[in-house]
Amino acid sequence: QVQLQESGPGLVKPSGTLSLTCAVSGASISSSYWWSWVRQPPGKGLEWIGEIFHSGGTNYNPSLKSRVTISVDKSKNQFSLMLSSVTAADTAVYYCATRLQQLTYFDLWGLGTLVTVSS
Amino acid sequence: QSVLTQPPSASGTPGQRVTISCSGGSSNIGSNTVSWYQQLPGTAPKLLIFSNNQRPSGVPDRVSGSRSGTSASLAISGLQSEDEAEYYCAAWDDSLNGVVFGGGTKLTAL
Repeated sequence: QVQLQESGPGLVKPSGTLSLTCAVSGASISSSYWWSWVRQPPGKGLEWIGEIFHSGGTNYNPSLKSRVTISVDKSKNQFSLMLSSVTAADTAVYYCATRLQQLTYFDLWGLGTLVTVSS
Repeated sequence: QSVLTQPPSASGTPGQRVTISCSGGSSNIGSNTVSWYQQLPGTAPKLLIFSNNQRPSGVPDRVSGSRSGTSASLAISGLQSEDEAEYYCAAWDDSLNGVVFGGGTKLTAL
């Protein structure tokens, strides 16, 4: 059974960099999945951030592209999110999720982790 | 402002059939399949419908989805109190080269 688990600091200072990791268990990060990040500000809807394939190919939300980097660590079977120059508007629950290579829906989600941007 | 448009709320009495609409454009719903997610309070989204009208294992057949042109809809028949949740539609957008979501619809069982 494939499982995803997010981890990282729950508090980030304004203008700093948000860094999160998603540990994958029950499947190889090198399998035919796109590994994705989705966020949800408090009381608001879902926003797709971006995704990575094990080969290194990425897709990013154009509205966040200049600040986002998603990477894969095959040795640890995990993938990561970095979001730079954060502001209070980046406060959200961050989910990692996955979709099969040729499909466009997320069939598995992590539990999510709340990241607050505040000084 | 979400790319896909959903009504912010929907409601029905127990046992009733309710539908939630999702409107998009030619670059998303018009050319790609639609998925729906259910999010119970304080939990992660859960896949409810994929490929417009397919249910994952474990989703009851009183839940159904459809797509026509650049719009899609989710229907829940025999509404139950446990169906109270936020529902999101989503689709791949060829112009943005990414997944777009609707703003979400809060379903209430009166």
